[in-house]
Amino acid sequence: EAQVTQNPRYLITVTGKKLTVTCSQNMNHEYMSWYRQDPGLGLRQIYYSMNVEVTDKGDVPEGYKVSRKEKRNFPLILESPSPNQTSLYFCASSRQGEETQYFGPGTRLLVL
Amino acid sequence: SQKIEQNSEALNIQEGKTATLTCNYTNYSPAYLQWYRQDPGRGPVFLLLIRENEKEKRKERLKVTFDTTLKQSLFHITASQPADSATYLCAPISSGGSYIPTFGRGTSLIVHP
Repeated sequence: EAQVTQNPRYLITVTGKKLTVTCSQNMNHEYMSWYRQDPGLGLRQIYYSMNVEVTDKGDVPEGYKVSRKEKRNFPLILESPSPNQTSLYFCASSRQGEETQYFGPGTRLLVL
Repeated sequence: SQKIEQNSEALNIQEGKTATLTCNYTNYSPAYLQWYRQDPGRGPVFLLLIRENEKEKRKERLKVTFDTTLKQSLFHITASQPADSATYLCAPISSGGSYIPTFGRGTSLIVHP
């Protein structure tokens, strides 16, 4: 089944404790991206990647890192999480030349 | 700066009526505009894409229009059903860019039986 998976789905952590949210897609898509969604603010793009080893900042990249060492994986790293990073995070992928984004199920993060 | 505006207030309609949702954009020259549906706590799901040279696109009960002069897209659901209740997001994509969309905040649609 074609899909985007994210892990973990739920995470509670404390300020400053490094964490990684994994994202994997099995559709051989070139493009991958991370969004966060907050009430009243909608979906905001954090980082995106157009292919392996090619990443770029989105609208709200501060406090986040990403890497794209393999085509299928695009982890989101929070080196020192803070409470304002409490949010619902979505990973998405799409094929080059096709504009449809396929979204993962979301990761709900709470930073205390 | 680029701006996407969707009605922030929920749209309440009666089952069987046509729902019309609006997406306005400024400081954009989108080559495409997408519409997604999002249910609470879940990822958005792609519905329709319309290109700048298309005036209208249809898929079953869905219809999208795209007016590049008005800088506006309208999303219609005909014969609406309670199962259509969700938040609908528009996402313009600029030409010459990454082809990864920026999303509007979405409009919540509530269809009453």
